[in-house]
Amino acid sequence: KAGVTQTPRYLIKTRGQQVTLSCSPISGHRSVSWYQQTPGQGLQFLFEYFSETQRNKGNFPGRFSGRQFSNSRSEMNVSTLELGDSALYLCASSLERFRDTRRGELFFGEGSRLTVL
Amino acid sequence: AQSVTQPDIHITVSEGASLELRCNYSYGATPYLFWYVQSPGQGLQLLLKYFSGDTLVQGIKGFEAEFKRSQSSFNLRKPSVHWSDAAEYFCAVGPYSGSARQLTFGSGTQLTVLP
Repeated sequence: KAGVTQTPRYLIKTRGQQVTLSCSPISGHRSVSWYQQTPGQGLQFLFEYFSETQRNKGNFPGRFSGRQFSNSRSEMNVSTLELGDSALYLCASSLERFRDTRRGELFFGEGSRLTVL
Repeated sequence: AQSVTQPDIHITVSEGASLELRCNYSYGATPYLFWYVQSPGQGLQLLLKYFSGDTLVQGIKGFEAEFKRSQSSFNLRKPSVHWSDAAEYFCAVGPYSGSARQLTFGSGTQLTVLP
């Protein structure tokens, strides 16, 4: 079974530009979450999507947005990039079932490393 | 608000030695607790999780963790470390209700294994 796939793996942008990152979850997983990882702030929750709806959102400015498509693939977008947006962006998918003890078990992709110059 | 503290930023052990990584959490209800491992350039891999029941949980790669409610701790242990265990380890806590996929992570513990 293929894991979580994130594209692109590496990208370089300049301040003020925007970027779109893509995530394909594990087949059958309908929940997709995004996390930002930086050396200073660690791993921080960005948002979670389930059935094309944003279910949770972390404490990030509105420049950070996302969406989920009917096939559960997800994209996140960061507009007006700032130097502080340089980070590893991790996508995770999760299988969701009623009373599923695996609830909360996230399967992570390898991430998209964004460098803002 | 929930929080996770991993007091040790960096730990060095010799191959074959035992390992314990500390994790303390703050959460107002019964937590879901997780340990993840991240190798350089990789995503996070789940080692083990605690939801309820037996407070000693077994995970992959020979790791185990013990949930101690009275100490608000969820320490990770391994009796004999292998060189391939060198990586960064993250403890995380999730909510009991609502979205269990919104995890709060600790700052991580970097493990170095000496030959």
